[in-house]
Amino acid sequence: KQEVTQIPAALSVPEGENLVLNCSFTDSAIYNLQWFRQDPGKGLTSLLLIQSSQREQTSGRLNASLDKSSGRSTLYIAASQPGDSATYLCAVRPYGNAGNMLTFGGGTRLMVKP
Amino acid sequence: KAGVTQTPRYLIKTRGQQVTLSCSPISGHRSVSWYQQTPGQGLQFLFEYFSETQRNKGNFPGRFSGRQFSNSRSEMNVSTLELGDSALYLCASSSDRAVTGELFFGEGSRLTVL
Repeated sequence: KQEVTQIPAALSVPEGENLVLNCSFTDSAIYNLQWFRQDPGKGLTSLLLIQSSQREQTSGRLNASLDKSSGRSTLYIAASQPGDSATYLCAVRPYGNAGNMLTFGGGTRLMVKP
Repeated sequence: KAGVTQTPRYLIKTRGQQVTLSCSPISGHRSVSWYQQTPGQGLQFLFEYFSETQRNKGNFPGRFSGRQFSNSRSEMNVSTLELGDSALYLCASSSDRAVTGELFFGEGSRLTVL
């Protein structure tokens, strides 16, 4: 059974700092990995999706990497801003006929202080 | 292009009642998935529908059911509500024609069971 872990569970940093969020998974047989952002009481916003054949994806100040063999992904946020404060979730999609049955990590709650 | 729309956004029910939640996917998306989010269990997969057929089902009791209509809109129903069913119910859609398999979420329906 796939298990996804995100460490740390919470993180507080001053504005302008570069930071790394971690995501680890136990079964390397994944189709892709997706990072999401969730604001309090809201739905999930897709940030980056990495296919299993890719090593990294970039969007603006965000960069996500994937190391399937070690079961790890990182989300790098450059020059953090107070508007980046949210919970960040990673989710993996397995190979096979599992459709959109994603397994989510518990999330990292990020607070960026002005 | 409109995103995933969920209704109602908030609702309060009492134990033993039933509830129906609705989800309209992004235009052209044929896959609709449902997830339950609680503080204790995080995000858990409920079920997925594709072209009016249930494609995958998570580990939830039979009180949780769903369906999909020919226009891809989906509903989920929870019967005989329990206090533990209080949660944010999230709907997500994807296009099976897209090679990325990216999942897009709605704002959710927050259910409170008293």
